[in-house]
Amino acid sequence: EVELVESGGGLVQPGGSLRLSCAASGFTFSNRWMSWVRQAPGKGLGWVANIKQDGSDNSYVDSVKGRFTISRDNAKNSLYLQMNSLRVEDTAVYYCATGGGLRGGEFEIWGQGTMVTVSS
Amino acid sequence: DVVMTQSPLSLPVTLGQPASISCRSSQSLVYSDGNTYLTWFQQRPGQSPRRLIYKVSNRDSGVPDRFSGSGSGTDFTLKISRVEAEDVGVYYCMQGTRWPPTFGGGTKVEIK
Repeated sequence: EVELVESGGGLVQPGGSLRLSCAASGFTFSNRWMSWVRQAPGKGLGWVANIKQDGSDNSYVDSVKGRFTISRDNAKNSLYLQMNSLRVEDTAVYYCATGGGLRGGEFEIWGQGTMVTVSS
Repeated sequence: DVVMTQSPLSLPVTLGQPASISCRSSQSLVYSDGNTYLTWFQQRPGQSPRRLIYKVSNRDSGVPDRFSGSGSGTDFTLKISRVEAEDVGVYYCMQGTRWPPTFGGGTKVEIK
């Protein structure tokens, strides 16, 4: 069964850090671009970052550039999102999804999400 | 960035009746390879998003054939031929033609 399982969310103070993980199974992880997509409470979806199959290329939405880092470990079938200098506006459910979001890689499979709350 | 505008915001529908959701992009979504990367997602209450349709009109595996997508250029439509109770939720369009990928604000489908 194809599955993505996120973990690592929680409550953090503004300026703090958190590392999210996404464990993939049921498909060849190393063949896929991967992305993080977030959804603030009661709001719509927003793409955050993506990473190429071998990790050699990635991109970010402007609002997280310089603060978030996406990475992957193909040996462990895992995707990560290191989030530093967190802001209240980063509060959201974070989903990992297959695909880079562009031209044929439009988020076929989604995880269940992990909640990140940034609050003092 | 390409702005995706959906309408209506809310769509009350009678069971068994059709429903139609509009999505408009601020720029053409036709890519140089001739494809149009417009995708539709469904998010049922309390669930993760699920991809329904990709490249305007291609249904994903397991998606009922009452869902159909159409459109071209900057104007796109998702239609549900006969709404069922399980179709309640929020529907999002998304463009994957131009970086960064961007989503519409969503249309909430509810039963009258």
